[in-house]
Amino acid sequence: QKEVEQNSGPLSVPEGAIASLNCTYSDRVSQSFFWYRQYSGKSPELIMSIYSNGDKEDGRFTAQLNKASQYVSLLIRDSQPSDSATYLCAVNMNRDDKIIFGKGTRLHILP
Amino acid sequence: DVKVTQSSRYLVKRTGEKVFLECVQDMDHENMFWYRQDPGLGLRLIYFSYDVKMKEKGDIPEGYSVSREKKERFSLILESASTNQTSMYLCAISLGDVNEQYFGPGTRLTVT
Repeated sequence: QKEVEQNSGPLSVPEGAIASLNCTYSDRVSQSFFWYRQYSGKSPELIMSIYSNGDKEDGRFTAQLNKASQYVSLLIRDSQPSDSATYLCAVNMNRDDKIIFGKGTRLHILP
Repeated sequence: DVKVTQSSRYLVKRTGEKVFLECVQDMDHENMFWYRQDPGLGLRLIYFSYDVKMKEKGDIPEGYSVSREKKERFSLILESASTNQTSMYLCAISLGDVNEQYFGPGTRLTVT
């Protein structure tokens, strides 16, 4: 059973601090990794994609991938109340177009 | 910008009714997906399609069918709606070789 695991949270982080979200996946041959943000009642929105080991930065967001340890993480710097949402980790495992989603981590930024 | 639209944001149907959920994309993408999302269960793939008139079962196809007569439109059909099909339904398309998926706004379906 191919799986993507995330801590469900909620993760509470003070405003201005760094929020760290983690995800592990089961299939070592996975190729593509994604982070989605989902506000309550809305659909998921793609915020980061990462394909190779290391860090990828986009504004306040940094995705980190470690294929040897089979984990991917998302760092949010200078957290804002508007970052409060559920963050979904997703992994493409099969070289086809299907991706498997984790169940998400709820992030709460404390003003 | 990728644009994926879904026919309704909210829908209320009665048990036993036939329900059509439509998804339309405007970028000539081949790959389209239908998911449902439920609290505690996450996103689950129902059906997907790689081209016109092609369809593949996802993880939970039971009770659903799909239709793709034109490239831009992918319909999800509930042949006889049941209360356990009350859910948020999400359509997605994927782009090129990198498999990034983009979602429509979703349809919250309630079956009473």
